[in-house]
Amino acid sequence: DAGVIQSPRHEVTEMGQEVTLRCKPISGHDYLFWYRQTMMRGLELLIYFNNNVPIDDSGMPEDRFSAKMPNASFSTLKIQPSEPRDSAVYFCASSFSGGSQPQHFGDGTRLSIL
Amino acid sequence: GQSLEQPSEVTAVEGAIVQINCTYQTSGFYGLSWYQQHDGGAPTFLSYNALDGLEETGRFSSFLSRSDSYGYLLLQELQMKDSASYFCAQQGDKIIFGKGTRLHILP
Repeated sequence: DAGVIQSPRHEVTEMGQEVTLRCKPISGHDYLFWYRQTMMRGLELLIYFNNNVPIDDSGMPEDRFSAKMPNASFSTLKIQPSEPRDSAVYFCASSFSGGSQPQHFGDGTRLSIL
Repeated sequence: GQSLEQPSEVTAVEGAIVQINCTYQTSGFYGLSWYQQHDGGAPTFLSYNALDGLEETGRFSSFLSRSDSYGYLLLQELQMKDSASYFCAQQGDKIIFGKGTRLHILP
């Protein structure tokens, strides 16, 4: 079975540019999570969806960040405009239910904003 | 506030046993998960405890005490491949990960 698929794996862009990260969850999973990981702040939950509906976006750092899930098999995380402090590894994860079931993480997108 | 505390680093010897502790301070708590992450890799799920007691999965075990807001991950018969970061994560009204414990294993 295919796991969570994220693209791109690496992204280097200049500040001010729009960045779009993509995620395909595991088929049948009804929860999708976006995380950001940095050395300073660790692994932070940005937003999660249940059945394509955003449930908790309190972790989204500011209005420059937005996330959508137009259908059960696709989600995007967009940063516009990007800033150097947005440089991090962004992970997408999916699961059956949000509680006891394990979250399956994608390989992440390593984002560098110059 | 809502936070999880775990040691930043632990060092142990190959073949030994190591325990990584995690304390949490939050309401709306459902359970505690543990994840392993190798350098450059993604977190992978190890275990989940919703009830008090010990859950065993091979060489790894996880324990939870809800009355003490405390849990731990126990790794036995340590192997060099166990060198990684280990995260506790609370499941509840909020999903929060600890900052991770980097496990160093000496030969």
